[in-house]
Amino acid sequence: DQQVKQNSPSLSVQEGRISILNCDYTNSMFDYFLWYKKYPAEGPTFLISISSIKDKNEDGRFTVFLNKSAKHLSLHIVPSQPGDSAVYFCAASVYNQGGKLIFGQGTELSVKP
Amino acid sequence: DAGVIQSPRHEVTEMGQEVTLRCKPISGHDYLFWYRQTMMRGLELLIYFNNNVPIDDSGMPEDRFSAKMPNASFSTLKIQPSEPRDSAVYFCASSARGPAFFGQGTRLTVV
Repeated sequence: DQQVKQNSPSLSVQEGRISILNCDYTNSMFDYFLWYKKYPAEGPTFLISISSIKDKNEDGRFTVFLNKSAKHLSLHIVPSQPGDSAVYFCAASVYNQGGKLIFGQGTELSVKP
Repeated sequence: DAGVIQSPRHEVTEMGQEVTLRCKPISGHDYLFWYRQTMMRGLELLIYFNNNVPIDDSGMPEDRFSAKMPNASFSTLKIQPSEPRDSAVYFCASSARGPAFFGQGTRLTVV
């Protein structure tokens, strides 16, 4: 029972272009969504989050969009840089459960110069 | 703050041995989580604590696994006896609601 799904295991993008990473969820109780970035041999690093009362949150080059009716969220990175190459994890939680995060399988992003 | 600190970073042990993983959460965080990452199952939550009390241990795979949090600044995850299928990267994370912040992980290899 995979409640959070990232259907694309990998994505390759040219430097300077937009990267779009997608995530779907099944549990309608989720009300808080996050994206993490992970480099090899390191722990996941928090990137950006969004509450279910919003449909968009922006932080610099990173924007997360939430479509509750479709149970879908996406992360846009504009412009993409080679240093963005990493595995990106989508995560979801029920906020009053204090951050118990359910993770997707991850998407490996490769940004080519 | 130094962030979440885990030790050891790497552990190689023989099947049947006891393994103890350690975690120091970020000061002031009242939630602590233990996750395991494997190729097959991805990042899965094993157990989490709130104010040092275990809240949900439904992710703990079997009785060979146990976790404790004797105080707000220290937690352990113990595997006894260890088996080769326990080989994985184990992450500790902490939060004060909001996003969880992860340690560097412990790579466990059971041979």
